[in-house]
Amino acid sequence: NAGVMQNPRHLVRRRGQEARLRCSPMKGHSHVYWYRQLPEEGLKFMVYLQKENIIDESGMPKERFSAEFPKEGPSILRIQQVVRGDSAAYFCASSAVLLEGQPQHFGDGTRLSIL
Amino acid sequence: QKEVEQDPGPLSVPEGAIVSLNCTYSNSAFQYFMWYRQYSRKGPELLMYTYSSGNKEDGRFTAQVDKSSKYISLFIRDSQPSDSATYLCAMKETSGSRLTFGEGTQLTVNP
Repeated sequence: NAGVMQNPRHLVRRRGQEARLRCSPMKGHSHVYWYRQLPEEGLKFMVYLQKENIIDESGMPKERFSAEFPKEGPSILRIQQVVRGDSAAYFCASSAVLLEGQPQHFGDGTRLSIL
Repeated sequence: QKEVEQDPGPLSVPEGAIVSLNCTYSNSAFQYFMWYRQYSRKGPELLMYTYSSGNKEDGRFTAQVDKSSKYISLFIRDSQPSDSATYLCAMKETSGSRLTFGEGTQLTVNP
């Protein structure tokens, strides 16, 4: 399967714990994007990364959220000290080398539930 | 005001019907327009991708863009029960990286 791979598919955390969501882009893709889908809402952009660089994090909450895309391995979205409002589906997308208009392809998401 | 407006539906049609899904937008910097299909518990799947105003056809799907009216549409001909899903419009500025989505329209095609 050469698609965008996200894991885990489902994650349950208690308030105050940390959540780590992982994303492996499509083969040949070096650009990764994270989006959040809250219940009854559309997808909202969070962050755009290339290998070892955060390019645009204007959609990320200022506190508790961070993202990385290391030279080796998957991209990680990290949420510290989770709260009930963090419950959502988190989707990762990837695209090829940045030419104008390269489409983004999505994974099946990680559904985060906060108890 | 939201940058992208999409009628959330739900929309229910009989099998074989022509379906029209629509989005309006306010940001004139949007130049790339996409339609995604999302099945329950799955990620968005890219259906159509357009740049210029006009029509683009792919099988039973036709995407239409009218930049002067800031209006895009997706038409599905001969709709099938397997088309039952949520359809999301998405847009991107030329220089930007982020996609801005509509809230999605839930479609049910009844056999």
